[in-house]
Amino acid sequence: SYELTQPPSVSVSPGQTARITCSGDKLGSKYASWYRQKPGQSPLLLIYKDIKRPSGVPERFSGSNSGNTATLTITGTQTMDEADYYCQAWDSDTAQYVFGTGTKVTVL
Amino acid sequence: QVTLRESGPALVKPTQTLTLTCTFSGFSVSTSRVCLGWIRQPPGKALEWLALIDWDDDKYYSTSLKTRLTISRDTSKNQLVLTMTNMNPVDTATYYCARTPVGGAVGDGFDIWGLGTMVTVSS
Repeated sequence: SYELTQPPSVSVSPGQTARITCSGDKLGSKYASWYRQKPGQSPLLLIYKDIKRPSGVPERFSGSNSGNTATLTITGTQTMDEADYYCQAWDSDTAQYVFGTGTKVTVL
Repeated sequence: QVTLRESGPALVKPTQTLTLTCTFSGFSVSTSRVCLGWIRQPPGKALEWLALIDWDDDKYYSTSLKTRLTISRDTSKNQLVLTMTNMNPVDTATYYCARTPVGGAVGDGFDIWGLGTMVTVSS
């Protein structure tokens, strides 16, 4: 089955840039989405179709996807961005949605 | 305002069948060309996709759970239903329903989520 792997944790200082990676076989040939989930809350879609931001999502969130890796970049990270982040892709070969393993972002 | 709200039992016994309902409002599945799906999250663990139904009523299931799942939609009631048979303690999780963006395609991310409903499987 298709798998997406993320680093368990990423630390970043306030105001700096955080990059969260998501690795999967030929992921660049699929569309990737990214979510932020704070404790006790539902996931929030940040990026879909690799680079699109839903209405209301701040511009400091951006995405890229090439080769085997998709990346979520948070520019000017804020303390409110401390949360778990998940990537997600659609595996058209098996008609499956796949979520990544999740990354805990700490802002300190 | 677009909303999704999950409902169902908080506690089920092992081997029982779970039935969850998601009541949605603020959009029409057919005219908006959206998909509706179920995702779950065991306590402290990652998200896991379960099933999806698109605007044409085509259904997609997690390979690992396919034999236990049935997804359906009642257009007249604006409800999405998931049944999962032979429940096991490892199925203890928060179950979410979610929607894809308007005018998108199968495989797009989920832009609207319900608050989730916690289901515990225990005797």
